Amino acid sequence: EAQVTQNPRYLITVTGKKLTVTCSQNMNHEYMSWYRQDPGLGLRQIYYSMNVEVTDKGDVPEGYKVSRKEKRNFPLILESPSPNQTSLYFCASSLVGDSSYEQYFGPGTRLTVT
Amino acid sequence: AQSVTQLGSHVSVSEGALVLLRCNYSSSVPPYLFWYVQYPNQGLQLLLKYTTGATLVKGINGFEAEFKKSETSFHLTKPSAHMSDAAEYFCAVSDKSSYGKLTFGQGTILTVHP
Repeated sequence: EAQVTQNPRYLITVTGKKLTVTCSQNMNHEYMSWYRQDPGLGLRQIYYSMNVEVTDKGDVPEGYKVSRKEKRNFPLILESPSPNQTSLYFCASSLVGDSSYEQYFGPGTRLTVT
Repeated sequence: AQSVTQLGSHVSVSEGALVLLRCNYSSSVPPYLFWYVQYPNQGLQLLLKYTTGATLVKGINGFEAEFKKSETSFHLTKPSAHMSDAAEYFCAVSDKSSYGKLTFGQGTILTVHP
């Protein structure tokens, strides 16, 4: 089954404790990205990657890091989480060159930073 | 830069009534337009999309939307609401120059009353 998976689905952590949220897709998509969802703000892009070893900032990159060492994986790293990073996070992937740029979303990771 | 405005953060309708969720976008190039639905505690599901061609687009669950370039709108409609339509709905825009990035509206929560 074609899908985007994220782990963990739920995470509660404390300020300053480094964490990684994993994202993996099995559709051989070149493009992957991370969004955060906050009430009243919709979804905002954090980082994206056009292909292996190619990453770039989205609209709200501060406090986050990403890496793209393999085509299927795109982990999101919070090296020193803060309470304002409490949010619902979505990973997405798509084909580059697809005429619609339709993105496929993972199930989401709900992060709480205390 | 692209932007999306969803008019009304909350919309309430009676079961069987018309559903109308409003979306206006801003884009300097031909847009790709999407509506996503998010059921409680779930991820994002694509309802429908407009890329090129016919401006009236039909999606899943009886929803449809019409792309009106002159009004820069992409309103979502359903003739008869069902209780199961209660969810949050997001309008999003992309285009060829944004390399797949989706810019989302702030979301509209739809409540359906019996």
